[in-house]
Amino acid sequence: EPEVTQTPSHQVTQMGQEVILRCVPISNHLYFYWYRQILGQKVEFLVSFYNNEISEKSEIFDDQFSVERPDGSNFTLKIRSTKLEDSAMYFCASLGGRTYEQYFGPGTRLTVT
Amino acid sequence: AQSVSQHNHHVILSEAASLELGCNYSYGGTVNLFWYVQYPGQHLQLLLKYFSGDPLVKGIKGFEAEFIKSKFSFNLRKPSVQWSDTAEYFCAVNAPRGYQKVTFGTGTKLQVIP
Repeated sequence: EPEVTQTPSHQVTQMGQEVILRCVPISNHLYFYWYRQILGQKVEFLVSFYNNEISEKSEIFDDQFSVERPDGSNFTLKIRSTKLEDSAMYFCASLGGRTYEQYFGPGTRLTVT
Repeated sequence: AQSVSQHNHHVILSEAASLELGCNYSYGGTVNLFWYVQYPGQHLQLLLKYFSGDPLVKGIKGFEAEFIKSKFSFNLRKPSVQWSDTAEYFCAVNAPRGYQKVTFGTGTKLQVIP
């Protein structure tokens, strides 16, 4: 069964550094999403992406965040200058067809020190 | 904006016991409802979903959920749990379009004791 993949599985970075989290969505899917889950809290929506542009974003997704689909297969989330509070599990998801099921990747655990 | 409440944060059951996890949502219009499961060390997987039609929805692994519109509820049930059902369960909603963001509840950790 096709699945969403994410790399790396764990990223440790220092405060103020830039990080790029990578996702490979399911190949024929058209909608892409990033969510995050801070330890002990619920999964929160960050951003959705369709037709090469952001279709919806949350208040968390400020100017420090950006998304890109650079080559038609990868979908990336960039955090320009990480803060301690960005430490979380980041999930990528993709959706295609009429099932309206978002398929989630395994997540990238980001630790900001 | 929609929101989801899950009232049970941690549930401990013995094998073969029946399970019901509560979920209430708030949104005035048509909603799509989901239950996701996250097994230890694994990613989120869809258990079942409701978009329209029969309000009693059957999912994988013997789970079912009932949409009660008048109560804004979508409770998850399983008649007899197994040790392998130990996981965290998330109720979620999106509205009104199926491709829009999913809003999750806080999750319920289920521990099944052999």
